[in-house]
Parts: sequence; structure tokens; C-alpha cells
Amino acid sequence: SYVLTQPPSVSVAPGKTARITCGGNNIGSKSVHWYQQKPGQAPVLVIYYDSDRPSGIPERFSGSNSGNTATLTISRVEAGDEADYYCQVWDSSSVHVVFGGGTKLTVL
Amino acid sequence: EVQLVESGGGLVQPGRSLRLSCAASGFTFDDYAMHWVRQAPGKGLEWVSGISWNSGSIGYADSVKGRFTISRDNAKNSLYLQMNSLRAEDTALYYCAKVHAGGDLPDAFDIWGQGTMVTVSS
Repeated sequence: SYVLTQPPSVSVAPGKTARITCGGNNIGSKSVHWYQQKPGQAPVLVIYYDSDRPSGIPERFSGSNSGNTATLTISRVEAGDEADYYCQVWDSSSVHVVFGGGTKLTVL
Repeated sequence: EVQLVESGGGLVQPGRSLRLSCAASGFTFDDYAMHWVRQAPGKGLEWVSGISWNSGSIGYADSVKGRFTISRDNAKNSLYLQMNSLRAEDTALYYCAKVHAGGDLPDAFDIWGQGTMVTVSS
């Protein structure tokens, strides 16, 4: 089955740029979606189709996808961005939705 | 307002059954595929099952295949998950989620409910 690999944690200082990666075999050929989840809350879609942003999501959030790695980039990081982030794809070969293991973003 | 409200969770003994429901409002329910996603305490997100707009396409995670059944009633704007032969490892917060666009399974999940907790324990 298809596997998505995320780093367990990423730390960044306020105002800096955070990059959260999502690795998978030829993930560049798939559409990648990203979710933010704060403690006690449901996930929120922040990036879909690799790089599109839902309405209401700040422009500071962006995404890219190529080769074996997709990346969520958060510019000018704020304390309120501290959360768990998950990548997600559709694996057509198994007819499964696949989530990455999640990355905890800590704002120092 | 677009909203999903799950219900039906609770404490259940191993081997027993439970049926979860998800009530949708604020959008044309039968235009969209729907999914169930769960999250065990302190763990990450795990996809459970998905169903297309007309129930023509259905998928299950390997961990629940043969035990769980997803269904929908478009006339009632409702999504269901029948869970049989429950195990301790099924203990989780169960979310229903709407796909971003269209009636097929593959897509982002743009709307999530707040979840309903299922605890499997004797």
C-alpha cells in the first residue's frame, strides 16, 4: 500500500518560514492535500490539489509537489500556526485515501 | 452554514456493534462524496471509508473491511457507518468529512464534523 512519510516535528521561530515535507513514491504524479489540526479541534483544509488555497486561508500558506516530495510552506510564521499538519493523497491502485503520519509544528 | 454533525458514538464492548450517523446541512448533499476518518487518542488521522454521491463507489481501509459498512440516505441528507465486531483498536474519534468538489471518492476534504467518540472496552 502507498505510504506517506512526514517528519514528526518541525520547529521555527516567529516570522520565519516553516517547510513541512511529505514523501511518497512518485508523489508528484498525485494530488496532495494538507490539513491543519489544532488541539481539540477538527482538521481544517489549508492546501488542496498541491497548491490551491481554500477561501479564508492566509496567503502565507503555500504548497508544492514534485518528484518524491510534496512540501507545505508557511511564511512569516505566527504563534497561531502551531498545530499538527497532515498530508493526504488518493491511492488509485488500492482505492484508498492515505494520510501521512502528521507533523507537529512548534513555534519557538 | 455548511455543517456536519456526527452522532451515535459511545462505550461498547468488544465484539458488539455500533452505528454512527452524520447529518449534513447547508449544501446539496447528493452532489458530493462523503468519507469517515478516525483518530485514536493521541494519534494521527486514519481514513476509514468513503462513498460516492450515488453509492456506486465505496472504499474501505484494510483495517475495517468486512466489519464496517458505509451507507448514505440522500433523501435524509445523512451518512452512516455500521460498525460490527468492534475491537479495542477501533477506539477513536470518528469524523465525517465532505469532499471539496464532485461526487467521486478522490478529493480533498473541505468540511469536517466535530466527531463522535467510540470507545471499545469491556
